[in-house]
This record gives sequence, C-alpha cells and structure tokens, in this order.
Amino acid sequence: GAVVSQHPSWVICKSGTSVKIECRSLDFQATTMFWYRQFPKQSLMLMATSNEGSKATYEQGVEKDKFLINHASLTLSTLTVTSAHPEDSSFYICSASQFGMEAKNIQYFGAGTRLSVL
Amino acid sequence: AQSVTQLGSHVSVSEGALVLLRCNYSSSVPPYLFWYVQYPNQGLQLLLKYTTGATLVKGINGFEAEFKKSETSFHLTKPSAHMSDAAEYFCAVKNSGGSNNKLTFGKGTVLTVNP
Repeated sequence: GAVVSQHPSWVICKSGTSVKIECRSLDFQATTMFWYRQFPKQSLMLMATSNEGSKATYEQGVEKDKFLINHASLTLSTLTVTSAHPEDSSFYICSASQFGMEAKNIQYFGAGTRLSVL
Repeated sequence: AQSVTQLGSHVSVSEGALVLLRCNYSSSVPPYLFWYVQYPNQGLQLLLKYTTGATLVKGINGFEAEFKKSETSFHLTKPSAHMSDAAEYFCAVKNSGGSNNKLTFGKGTVLTVNP
C-alpha cells in the first residue's frame, strides 16, 4: 500500500516551453502533497506544500508564477514549470501524506522526474 | 529552525560488516526523525521513524536507529551488510508540533557494499 506514482520519469523540453509533472496517490487519499527539487549531490529542497482544494504554500525563494501547483483532487497534484529555462533542469520529486494524527507524519514519495531543458 | 547533518557523503563497507550511517539534527522542539532509502531511479522509501516512545527503533530490511536526545543523534545501523543495501540514505527531521509535516532532509549518504 501507499504507492505514489509520478509521471513522466524523464522529460526533455526546449527553452521557453512549459512542462507538466503529475503526482498520483494510487491507493490512498492524499490530503497533503509536497514538491521537492533535488540537485546533484545535494539534499531534497522543499519547494511547496499543497492541500487538496486550496492554494499551495511556497517556500521562500520559490517563484509561484514559475512553478504552478494544482491539487484539485485527493489523489492528484500537478507541478507545471512555466517558460522553462536551462537553470530549471533538475530532479523533481513529489510526496504525499494522509490525514490523521499519525498518518500525517509519514510522507510517501514518487520516483521523481528528471527535467532537462535545452 | 531545524536542520540535519549527515556525516560522510559516502560510506563503503564489506558484505557482512556492520553498517553505521550517522545523522545529527537540530530542532527547537522535540523532533520526529526519519530515515529514507533511495535506490537508483526510484523514489524514497521509508526505512524507519521515531516519533515517541522507545528510543531504539527497528525498521525494514534489518535496519535500526537509536534516538539519543543528549547527543542530538539518530544514527542508522545494520549488523551485517548485504549487497542489496547499496543505495543512498537520507535522514530527515520534522517538528513534533505545528499543523504541517514539512520534512528537512540531510544531504544523503551513499552506501557502497563490497563483495
């Protein structure tokens, strides 16, 4: 149980185009989803937290107009990188957690999406 | 603010040897602590967690970790390494209070297991 699917696993796009990444909880309802960015040989950096049906909360320094997050249902969140540039190339990882006193403490992670912007 | 320091970005052990991956944290409130493992091209998988109760926590695949408040540590151990343990390991901390469950990760430790 508690499987999170992330798609696509790898995407290459031209500079100036937009890319959408999907994150789905397959067997549970995810009240909260998180989006991380991971640079080579570095830690996961939280970009934003999204709760179903409400606007995402972005971390300091993350451009909300650049990284659009939608969490329209309890099983799906999307991250859209708008007008992508080479510096946006990175590994993006989503995670999801369930509602509940104990359950909310555990995040289940997707396999990540490697974005390469040419 | 909370932070995590993982000592050693790379650890190499022989198959059958003890595995010790170090994690120290800082937190202004009692922490919740986690270890995750990441295999190549896969997502992070929860190994074990400490929230409350017993300070020695057992996880999957024979791993365990001990929460030591006086040392602000949560080191991960396994008595005998297996080839399949080769992966990257991340320690993470979360504040026990508050309404959010934001995790702060360490930089990760790559474990190599030599035959």
